[in-house]
Amino acid sequence: DTGVSQDPRHKITKRGQNVTFRCDPISEHNRLYWYRQTLGQGPEFLTYFQNEAQLEKSRLLSDRFSAERPKGSFSTLEIQRTEQGDSAMYLCASSPFNGDRLQETQYFGPGTRLLVL
Amino acid sequence: AQSVTQLDSQVPVFEEAPVELRCNYSSSVSVYLFWYVQYPNQGLQLLLKYLSGSTLVKGINGFEAEFNKSQTSFHLRKPSVHISDTAEYFCAVNAGNMLTFGGGTRLMVKP
Repeated sequence: DTGVSQDPRHKITKRGQNVTFRCDPISEHNRLYWYRQTLGQGPEFLTYFQNEAQLEKSRLLSDRFSAERPKGSFSTLEIQRTEQGDSAMYLCASSPFNGDRLQETQYFGPGTRLLVL
Repeated sequence: AQSVTQLDSQVPVFEEAPVELRCNYSSSVSVYLFWYVQYPNQGLQLLLKYLSGSTLVKGINGFEAEFNKSQTSFHLRKPSVHISDTAEYFCAVNAGNMLTFGGGTRLMVKP
């Protein structure tokens, strides 16, 4: 049984550089979520996909951020022109949504910790 | 809109003592409630969830939580903690298509 995986686990970059993170959800989970967690805080919702369609984006997701899920399987989150304020843990979650909110439980990956110098 | 408040940022407790981690929420619609645990440098692991039915929910690792609609609370309890329970605990609500998390409570179990 493989859970949600994320790559890389850690990323150090210089301000102004672009970074890309990958998330592989649990097989056959049709929903995929991205959250951001800063130190000492709870995760905050960024965006989510149902299959390949991006259905909702948070106001936290500035135009420097872009997420894709081209084939409805893995997803990528890209941050362009990184800023020091982007330093955080980026968490991915997936769920087997079947149209019934009562049945939806999100399963989280280990996260990608980003440090922008 | 919904929000979650975890009143205690840190809870120190001795090993084998009982513990309660408090969670209050606000929402204008029906909610579904979750507790997650996060060990250092790891992602979130689901402890338990309330979707409907019995208001007392049992989860993994001996944890349980009680949903109280009138007090809009979903407190997490364990009758006897272990050193291995030291971690960050997050309460979350799902009133739409995403989870809204509280700020977390750091449980520190001392020998």
